[in-house]
Amino acid sequence: EAGVVQSPRYKIIEKKQPVAFWCNPISGHNTLYWYRQNLGQGPELLIRYENEEAVDDSQLPKDRFSAERLKGVDSTLKIQPAELGDSAVYLCASSRRDPGQETQYFGPGTRLLVL
Amino acid sequence: EDQVTQSPEALRLQEGESSSLNCSYTVSGLRGLFWYRQDPGKGPEFLFTLYSAGEEKEKERLKATLTKKESFLHITAPKPEDSATYLCAVQAGSARQLTFGSGTQLTVLP
Repeated sequence: EAGVVQSPRYKIIEKKQPVAFWCNPISGHNTLYWYRQNLGQGPELLIRYENEEAVDDSQLPKDRFSAERLKGVDSTLKIQPAELGDSAVYLCASSRRDPGQETQYFGPGTRLLVL
Repeated sequence: EDQVTQSPEALRLQEGESSSLNCSYTVSGLRGLFWYRQDPGKGPEFLFTLYSAGEEKEKERLKATLTKKESFLHITAPKPEDSATYLCAVQAGSARQLTFGSGTQLTVLP
């Protein structure tokens, strides 16, 4: 079974520029998560999708961050404009919805550096 | 608010020197406690899920245990390839997302 795929793996941009991250979840996983991981910290949730619906985006900075999950499969996370404090690793994870099978599997992440 | 605290922040062991990592949690209605391993430059890799106090799970040199307030990850006779950051996370109440601790960075010296 293929794992969660993310691209790009690395991105370096200047502040105020836009940036986008792409995620393809594990086949059959209805739930998709975007997390942000700062250096030396655990991941923190930004947004969760159930199929194509964003059901938990309370931690997403909506003034500059946006996300979409068209057709309930792939997802894109966008930052516009980027700030220095956005430098972090952006992780995508996916899981099934069935009780007892909700383990989240993570992709390799996109490492963003804002200069 | 759900809280997860991991200790120690960093641990250096000699190859073969067994030890334990601690994960203390404060949540309302624990649904599951998860352990992940994260290697540098990679995403977290799933290890175990524990659902209720008294539950134990093992995988190779790792054994995870759960009480009502904390979880331990026991590492028996570690090898250098066990070096990584070990993350603990909880899922509580009706929430689907995980609340993570800051991790324990384990280094096993040959």
